[in-house]
Amino acid sequence: GNSVTQMEGPVTLSEEAFLTINCTYTATGYPSLFWYVQYPGEGLQLLLKATKADDKGSNKGFEATYRKETTSFHLEKGSVQVSDSAVYFCALSVGDSWGKLQFGAGTQVVVTP
Amino acid sequence: KAGVTQTPRYLIKTRGQQVTLSCSPISGHRSVSWYQQTPGQGLQFLFEYFSETQRNKGNFPGRFSGRQFSNSRSEMNVSTLELGDSALYLCASSPGTTGEQYFGPGTRLTVT
Repeated sequence: GNSVTQMEGPVTLSEEAFLTINCTYTATGYPSLFWYVQYPGEGLQLLLKATKADDKGSNKGFEATYRKETTSFHLEKGSVQVSDSAVYFCALSVGDSWGKLQFGAGTQVVVTP
Repeated sequence: KAGVTQTPRYLIKTRGQQVTLSCSPISGHRSVSWYQQTPGQGLQFLFEYFSETQRNKGNFPGRFSGRQFSNSRSEMNVSTLELGDSALYLCASSPGTTGEQYFGPGTRLTVT
């Protein structure tokens, strides 16, 4: 079956530090890959996506590249802010089941001033 | 465009009761998906509706059901509530086959 594995958190960083959250996946077929962010007390917000190998998704300073050879979609940001403190979820959908997202466990990120 | 709305935002029910949650998708979106979020199990897919038809279903017991109306609004129903059904229930809508989904704020269900 399909699955997503994320690095465990919490990840604690100082403001302006570099952030990397690892995400690897297992999927039948060619998945679309997503990063979502959840702030306390809120639903999920789509952060970025990539739909085919070597695509790079980017948004708000965050980037992730779809690596088919390593089945990975790592999230990076060059300089984090306190406002980036949240839980980040890697997710995939496959083919005709595009309405069904398979999520990783989520990684909590805490950025301190 | 207005985002996905879910009602109610908070709900407290007693074991054995049933509950109905409502979701209004973004205008023009015909696909609505439902997820359950708990600290122990994380985010789990419940079901997805497209043009009033259930397209995909997750591994939940038959007590969990849903439907979609002609205006794309969706409801999910949980019958014979159990303590383990306490969770945040998230609804998401999608414009179509791109797979990206837009989430509502969720309904926090507490079963006592």
